[in-house]
This record gives sequence, C-alpha cells and structure tokens, in this order.
Amino acid sequence: QITLKESGPTLMKPTQTLTLTCSFSGFSLATGRAAVGWIRQPPGKAPECLAVIYGNDDKLYSPSLKNRLTITQDTSKNQVVLTMTNMDPADTAVYYCARRQSAAFDYWGQGALVTVSS
Amino acid sequence: DIVMTQSPLSLSVTPGEPASISCRSSQDLMHSNGYIHLDWYLQKPGQSPQLLIYLASNRASGVPERFSGSGSGTDFTLKISRVEAEDVGVYYCFQSRQIPWTFGQGTKVEIE
Repeated sequence: QITLKESGPTLMKPTQTLTLTCSFSGFSLATGRAAVGWIRQPPGKAPECLAVIYGNDDKLYSPSLKNRLTITQDTSKNQVVLTMTNMDPADTAVYYCARRQSAAFDYWGQGALVTVSS
Repeated sequence: DIVMTQSPLSLSVTPGEPASISCRSSQDLMHSNGYIHLDWYLQKPGQSPQLLIYLASNRASGVPERFSGSGSGTDFTLKISRVEAEDVGVYYCFQSRQIPWTFGQGTKVEIE
C-alpha cells in the first residue's frame, strides 16, 4: 500500500522559512522508478507544481520559485523535505506531496494547509 | 511557459449522460521521448487530486472505464461516457512536457 503524508507548520509569519516533510511508504526512491514532487494549491485556485526529486537526486524546480526552494531526500527514512524561504501571505496554500511514476503523479498525500499571516 | 486552457469552466450534467472537457495547450505536448506528457486529474470536494488519465490516453489503475482521454499536439479531451454522482468535482489537465509543469484552470462538474 502506497501512502504519503505531509507534515510541517500550519501558521507562519512573513519572511520566515517553511520546512515541510513528506513521509512515504510502499515504494522507494532508491529503485530509480519513482520520484516525489511537491504541489501547492492556493484557496480556490488551481494547483501549482513546485519541485520534484528523483532517486538519483536529480531535481526540478519551478523557475519562478527556484531561488526560494530546496528539495532534498533522506532515503533511509523514506522522506522528502521541501524548504521555502521568505514566506509571504501569497504563499498561503495547501501543500501536497505526490509520487511521480510513469510520467504522472499517481499517489497524493492528504495535503497540509500552510497559512502565512502577520 | 506552456499555458493550459480548459473549457468549459463549469459543467452541469444529468446522471447517465456523457460529458466532455477540452484542454488546449499553447505548445505541442509531444516529448522527445515519444510520449505526450498530458494528464487528467479529478479533485473531489475536500480531497486531494487523483490521477485519472496519464500520457494523454492511459487510464490510471482503478479508474472506471467510463473515463477516456484522447488528443494530440495541442488539443486534448477527457470524456465521461455516462456520468455518475461520484464524478462531481474539479477536473484539471496538466502538462509535464516543459518546465514549469502547469495545470489548467480547472473545470467544475456538477450533477443536475
């Protein structure tokens, strides 16, 4: 059974750094067949793909956010961590992690709402 | 950036009737690997998005046969042969042909 779960702060202040952890089970990045991505969805808006990390440690970032994002993996813990610097109220969203395999996000976490407010 | 444009933005359907959603991309989604990097996702109310169709026309595991995807180049279609009550939600097309990967704006499907 494949599961993913996001964890991290629910409330942040502007300029702070967000750290989100995706803990997953039922697959491994080490096999090279899968990747994990982070996708966010502001309230009432379409999702936005932020970053993806592959088993060989290749990383893809959204160009518009690249300067603020870092994605890393801990294969021993089956975790992927996303950090986003200089948080702004416009970054308020539900943040999802999802497995990417066969060129699609086939399993998603339940999502974590992050609110940025002073 | 590749812009994904869906139509219609909302759709009200009678159970048992067919439904169709269009997605147009601003650039050809054929990847150099020979595959079309276009997916369809459904986000049911209060839930995470779920994969319906990948690589334009492949039904994901567990997805009912009433869902089908077609298209090539820049024009794509998701069809539901007979809509059921559980199909309500927002449907998104998504391209991973070119970074940044982008979603359409979504099509909200309601049951009449």
